Amino acid sequence: DTGVSQDPRHKITKRGQNVTFRCDPISEHNRLYWYRQTLGQGPEFLTYFQNEAQLEKSRLLSDRFSAERPKGSFSTLEIQRTEQGDSAMYLCASSYGTTGELFFGEGSRLTVL
Amino acid sequence: GDSVTQMEGPVTLSEEAFLTINCTYTATGYPSLFWYVQYPGEGLQLLLKATKADDKGSNKGFEATYRKETTSFHLEKGSVQVSDSAVYFCAPHSGGSNYKLTFGKGTLLTVNP
Repeated sequence: DTGVSQDPRHKITKRGQNVTFRCDPISEHNRLYWYRQTLGQGPEFLTYFQNEAQLEKSRLLSDRFSAERPKGSFSTLEIQRTEQGDSAMYLCASSYGTTGELFFGEGSRLTVL
Repeated sequence: GDSVTQMEGPVTLSEEAFLTINCTYTATGYPSLFWYVQYPGEGLQLLLKATKADDKGSNKGFEATYRKETTSFHLEKGSVQVSDSAVYFCAPHSGGSNYKLTFGKGTLLTVNP
């Protein structure tokens, strides 16, 4: 069990560029979540996958955001035409079973200049 | 949907002081309740949980009791240590197969020697 890993840990980009984050969940976990966290706030839910199916998306997830989990394993979160307001920590979590516990990665910090 | 109100931080205590961080929630039905902790530079991790009314979750000297009548899940520790310095998040889960958590804003705790 190597935990949830996220890559890159920090991304600096210019406004208008596209960025992609990757999340590798714990291997046997069928549920995967993306959250966004800004300074001084709690994590805000963005989207949820069960296996490869994206079952829920928050209204926070504008059409510039897209997430995939093509084979039910790793997931990617892409942000197109980044804006300064997209600057945040993007957190990935995974879970399985009925305990309700989410296992979080250390996050990918995005800075949009 | 679920919502959480957490005690505003930051909270600054001396080592061995008593800690209370208040949390009240709004959720449908009979939610499970969680406290997560985020140590500096690390991902969120589960601290403790309770799944039904009057249950007490405990871990690392921290405790929280699920009070349905007051919709509260206050976090307490009798004697804090410098190593407890972190951000603490309260999160209910109302059920449903997505196991999505709704987080409070978090409470920053700083413990001084």
